[in-house]
Amino acid sequence: GQQLNQSPQSMFIQEGEDVSMNCTSSSIFNTWLWYKQDPGEGPVLLIALYKAGELTSNGRLTAQFGITRKDSFLNISASIPSDVGIYFCAGQNAGGTSYGKLTFGQGTILTVHP
Amino acid sequence: NAGVTQTPKFRILKIGQSMTLQCTQDMNHNYMYWYRQDPGMGLKLIYYSVGAGITDKGEVPNGYNVSRSTTEDFPLRLELAAPSQTSVYFCASSLTSGVGTQYFGPGTRLLVL
Repeated sequence: GQQLNQSPQSMFIQEGEDVSMNCTSSSIFNTWLWYKQDPGEGPVLLIALYKAGELTSNGRLTAQFGITRKDSFLNISASIPSDVGIYFCAGQNAGGTSYGKLTFGQGTILTVHP
Repeated sequence: NAGVTQTPKFRILKIGQSMTLQCTQDMNHNYMYWYRQDPGMGLKLIYYSVGAGITDKGEVPNGYNVSRSTTEDFPLRLELAAPSQTSVYFCASSLTSGVGTQYFGPGTRLLVL
């Protein structure tokens, strides 16, 4: 089946620093999604990308849909303590018999030191 | 709207016991999903449903069963609990399968001893 490799596995940064993480796949996806999970909670959607090459921002977050459709990147600028959590990428092939099933990366654990 | 709700929040089972994890959504979503999350791993799809009366297997369905008698509810059944089923279980729903946004519940943490 499809596999996603997400890196880095964890990051320890100082408040104010920028953060970059990425996800690569063994096969193409039509949609890339980035979720954040706070402790004890379910994942919450941050950004959705629907087109190869697309660059989308949501506040301090910027994500890109790789041109090959096999990768995606998430950047967080000027990190703050509430950015702490686990960030997941997910690929989706919508339509047909996929029924919107998501394939998740392993997650990036982000720790921000004040 | 409450969104996606799950009960219980936490449960300890003995090997061989059975239980049902409840999931309810009040957004009138057609599509519902069950995922499990193991430590250090992403979420893996167990079962999904595209509407009342229709369910299908995901990536890791063994040891689980589901039913979808109403649009709102999508319970997950463990018949003979095994230690390998120790995990955090998330239910999710979406209006359609095509636009990416799945809304997740808060999760059920299950420990099988």
